Amino acid sequence: DTGVSQNPRHKITKRGQNVTFRCDPISEHNRLYWYRQTLGQGPEFLTYFQNEAQLEKSRLLSDRFSAERPKGSFSTLEIQRTEQGDSAMYLCASSFGTVEAFFGQGTRLTVV
Amino acid sequence: DAKTTQPNSMESNEEEPVHLPCNHSTISGTDYIHWYRQLPSQGPEYVIHGLTSNVNNRMASLAIAEDRKSSTLILHRATLRDAAVYYCIRILGGGGGADGLTFGKGTHLIIQP
Repeated sequence: DTGVSQNPRHKITKRGQNVTFRCDPISEHNRLYWYRQTLGQGPEFLTYFQNEAQLEKSRLLSDRFSAERPKGSFSTLEIQRTEQGDSAMYLCASSFGTVEAFFGQGTRLTVV
Repeated sequence: DAKTTQPNSMESNEEEPVHLPCNHSTISGTDYIHWYRQLPSQGPEYVIHGLTSNVNNRMASLAIAEDRKSSTLILHRATLRDAAVYYCIRILGGGGGADGLTFGKGTHLIIQP
């Protein structure tokens, strides 16, 4: 297992377009987190899955954002009608329980 | 709300020990203290965690105050590769969700050669 994998690594999109990111967690990790990080700030929590159930969503996650984790394996984060303020690094992490979370390299989104 | 307080930045010399402080005065009995670090252009990386006792692993040591209101991450011999942002995180006993892995701004550690 090579760790948490995120694709794509970079995405440039025009304002108003939809984008989808994918996260492949470490096998058998039951928890999966999505974060957003802007320059100079720590990662901000977006949402969290335990297996296939989305248990919590931050108020940062507007109705333009949706996340899924079908079958409790990989997860997707979709942003509809992107805005320039959505430009950020989107990080995914997975863990088994609460001990140690493993982060992916992130997807850097630029909205032009 | 990260519920922890850390200095914005610290500077140290290569091959010297580094003590990174963290205040978590509102910690409750079942909350764990986790430390993560983030190297430039990387996702955060787990460093160490503890509950009450001091902890050691291959990366660092964690010293937790007796009243648990503060802790210190100790890098015994800093290298240039330890230059990163270090996050101290309080995780509720149940973990998960927004109360788990809530990052603040962290401490930017600068290592001078």
